[in-house]
Amino acid sequence: EDQVTQSPEALRLQEGESSSLNCSYTVSGLRGLFWYRQDPGKGPEFLFTLYSAGEEKEKERLKATLTKKESFLHITAPKPEDSATYLCAVQGSSGSARQLTFGSGTQLTVLP
Amino acid sequence: DGGITQSPKYLFRKEGQNVTLSCEQNLNHDAMYWYRQDPGQGLRLIYYSQIVNDFQKGDIAEGYSVSREKKESFPLTVTSAQKNPTAFYLCAISTGGHSSGNTIYFGEGSWLTVV
Repeated sequence: EDQVTQSPEALRLQEGESSSLNCSYTVSGLRGLFWYRQDPGKGPEFLFTLYSAGEEKEKERLKATLTKKESFLHITAPKPEDSATYLCAVQGSSGSARQLTFGSGTQLTVLP
Repeated sequence: DGGITQSPKYLFRKEGQNVTLSCEQNLNHDAMYWYRQDPGQGLRLIYYSQIVNDFQKGDIAEGYSVSREKKESFPLTVTSAQKNPTAFYLCAISTGGHSSGNTIYFGEGSWLTVV
């Protein structure tokens, strides 16, 4: 059974204070690891897909990296508008090719 | 994603009632999904459909039903058998074929509250 654990559950940063969010996973045959951003009362917004260990992707102040056991979402010089819940999900080779297993998310608050 | 429309945004259900949540997409994708989100928990898959007139149960299908009569539409009915239906419901579509890493895109969600 695929499993995803995100840490920390909540993170408060001052504006400009860089940090990282962690996503640890166990999966039978990784097809993809996904990062989403979710604002309160909204659907998750797709950020990145990572397919293999060593891969990195960047978007503005966000950078996602992947190893064989975990992924990190690095946030450089965050701004208050980066405040949101960040969700990690994996797609494994077991079961349907279309199913994702989600973590519980990290709630990020960036203070001005 | 702007191509996925969920309605209503807010819905109240009385005990013993069935309610239906609508999900429409204009992106011409085959695969559609329904997820449930509870506070502090990850998204859990209720049902998914990879093609018209076909759908499969996800991890928490009990108390729910779906239909897929048209490619554009995948309504979810929350039946009276669902004992704890208060939650945020998310409809989604996925891109790509059966290759690895199909990206899933979500609608804006529907809040269901039992009164």
